[in-house]
Amino acid sequence: EDQVTQSPEALRLQEGESSSLNCSYTVSGLRGLFWYRQDPGKGPEFLFTLYSAGEEKEKERLKATLTKKESFLHITAPKPEDSATYLCAVQALGVEDSNSGYALNFGKGTSLLVTP
Amino acid sequence: EAGVAQSPRYKIIEKRQSVAFWCNPISGHATLYWYQQILGQGPKLLIQFQNNGVVDDSQLPKDRFSAERLKGVDSTLKIQPAKLEDSAVYLCASSLRWWDSRTSSGNTIYFGEGSWLTVV
Repeated sequence: EDQVTQSPEALRLQEGESSSLNCSYTVSGLRGLFWYRQDPGKGPEFLFTLYSAGEEKEKERLKATLTKKESFLHITAPKPEDSATYLCAVQALGVEDSNSGYALNFGKGTSLLVTP
Repeated sequence: EAGVAQSPRYKIIEKRQSVAFWCNPISGHATLYWYQQILGQGPKLLIQFQNNGVVDDSQLPKDRFSAERLKGVDSTLKIQPAKLEDSAVYLCASSLRWWDSRTSSGNTIYFGEGSWLTVV
């Protein structure tokens, strides 16, 4: 059974203090790994999709990396506005060339608080 | 570009009552999803539509939950009768299609703001 584990559950950083969030996964075959940001009272907001080990993507202060077992979301010099819950999700390989999808399996998220 | 629209945003009902949530996906998106997110958890897929056909409802509690997507656009999720454990945020999401075999890439899934349900 596919599993996604995120750590830590909660993280408190000072503004400018860089850190990393971890997403460990087990899946029969990985189609894609997704990172989302969720603000209180809002729906998840898409950040990145990674498809193969070694792939990296960046957006402003965020950088996502992928290995065969885990993904990291690196936050460089965070600001208070980066405070949110960060969700990781995996999509498993399925029937080739099929438009029928396979569910995103989400982790519980990491709640990030960045203080001034 | 307008996002995924959901209503109502908030609903409080008593157990055993019924409730319905409505979703309008991004224009042109063929794939529509309903997710349930319980406080402190990640979203869990309830049902996925491709146009107006169901492609995955394996985690939908069919004795009390139902969903439809008539004409392949708007969708409604219904709960009847509601239980206390149904208190959650119901998220609707959409994507152009699920998978692009030409580029071997998935399409971005966009979420709505969610409908918050409290069952008392």
